[in-house]
Amino acid sequence: SQTIHQWPATLVQPVGSPLSLECTVEGTSNPNLYWYRQAAGRGLQLLFYSVGIGQISSEVPQNLSASRPQDRQFILSSKKLLLSDSGFYLCAWDESLGSTGELFFGEGSRLTVL
Amino acid sequence: AQSVTQLDSQVPVFEEAPVELRCNYSSSVSVYLFWYVQYPNQGLQLLLKYLSGSTLVKGINGFEAEFNKSQTSFHLRKPSVHISDTAEYFCAVSDYLQRGAGNMLTFGGGTRLMVKP
Repeated sequence: SQTIHQWPATLVQPVGSPLSLECTVEGTSNPNLYWYRQAAGRGLQLLFYSVGIGQISSEVPQNLSASRPQDRQFILSSKKLLLSDSGFYLCAWDESLGSTGELFFGEGSRLTVL
Repeated sequence: AQSVTQLDSQVPVFEEAPVELRCNYSSSVSVYLFWYVQYPNQGLQLLLKYLSGSTLVKGINGFEAEFNKSQTSFHLRKPSVHISDTAEYFCAVSDYLQRGAGNMLTFGGGTRLMVKP
């Protein structure tokens, strides 16, 4: 069966520091991969998605970036965090072929920027 | 392009009472429909989905939803809620034409269900 892992689960970082959140999927090949963010009291905001290695689509311009160095690995990064980057970050995947659009989510990473 | 509207941002309800969480969508093409649940500090978990066939869909934890094409709605219901149902609920729609292109799913803004004793 397929599984998705995200880490770290929680992170407290000072303003201006770098960020790296990692996500890996097991049990499937060539998935589509996604990064979402939930700010406090708000809905889901799609940040990035990827349909293959090295292919990244950005939905919202900001100081975050994403990379997909391997088929089942998706990384969210920042060189300098802002206070507004605080939130709950969710990685997700779906099938690239025959998908209904159903997304499978990781457990999330809570980032607090101080 | 499709959009999803969840009409209620918060729904307070007493334990063992029935509940309905409303969801309306707009799309120019046929769609698949989903309800997800998110418990505090966790990822989203699929409750149920409508792909085709019967318009009444049953999901986990006693929830069900009915697809109404003429009203473009997919409301979620449960006849008797428990304290443990307290969570955020998201309605989502995906577009047939985006299959394989990534980014198929559009989410509503979420509804916070608060079950009180």
